[in-house]
Amino acid sequence: SQTIHQWPATLVQPVGSPLSLECTVEGTSNPNLYWYRQAAGRGLQLLFYSVGIGQISSEVPQNLSASRPQDRQFILSSKKLLLSDSGFYLCAWKVPRENMYNEQFFGPGTRLTVL
Amino acid sequence: AQSVTQLDSHVSVSEGTPVLLRCNYSSSYSPSLFWYVQHPNKGLQLLLKYTSAATLVKGINGFEAEFKKSETSFHLTKPSAHMSDAAEYFCVVSDIWEKLTFGTGTRLTIIP
Repeated sequence: SQTIHQWPATLVQPVGSPLSLECTVEGTSNPNLYWYRQAAGRGLQLLFYSVGIGQISSEVPQNLSASRPQDRQFILSSKKLLLSDSGFYLCAWKVPRENMYNEQFFGPGTRLTVL
Repeated sequence: AQSVTQLDSHVSVSEGTPVLLRCNYSSSYSPSLFWYVQHPNKGLQLLLKYTSAATLVKGINGFEAEFKKSETSFHLTKPSAHMSDAAEYFCVVSDIWEKLTFGTGTRLTIIP
């Protein structure tokens, strides 16, 4: 069966510090991968998605970047965190098919607090 | 462009009474629709999805949703609420490029 892992589970960082959040998927090959951010009291906002190694699409201009160094690894980074980067970060994966009815599967999330 | 509107940000029901969480969508194509549930500080779990095979969709934990094209709605229901149903619920629409658009969520509170 497929599983998705995210770490760390929680993180408290000072403004201006770097960030690296990791997401890995097991039990599947060549998944589509996604990073979302959920701000307090709001829905989910798609930040990045990837359809293959080294292929990253950015949905919103921001202080963050993403990389996919391996097929089942997706990393969210920042060189200098802002207060507005605080939130709950969710990674998700999806089997890439032409059928759009396939759902995304979400990881447990990382709670990031920037002070 | 596609969008999702969850009409209630917060719904409270008594344990054992019916649950109705409302969702309206807008899409230029025949949509793919989902309901996800999120318990506090957890990831999202799929409740059910509309795949065009049937307009009434049954999901996990006794939830179901009915796709009504004429009303552009996909409301989530459950006949009898349980305390464990307390969570945040998200209505989601997917476009043909497989990008998800999330509603802002409905927080469901169950009164003992």
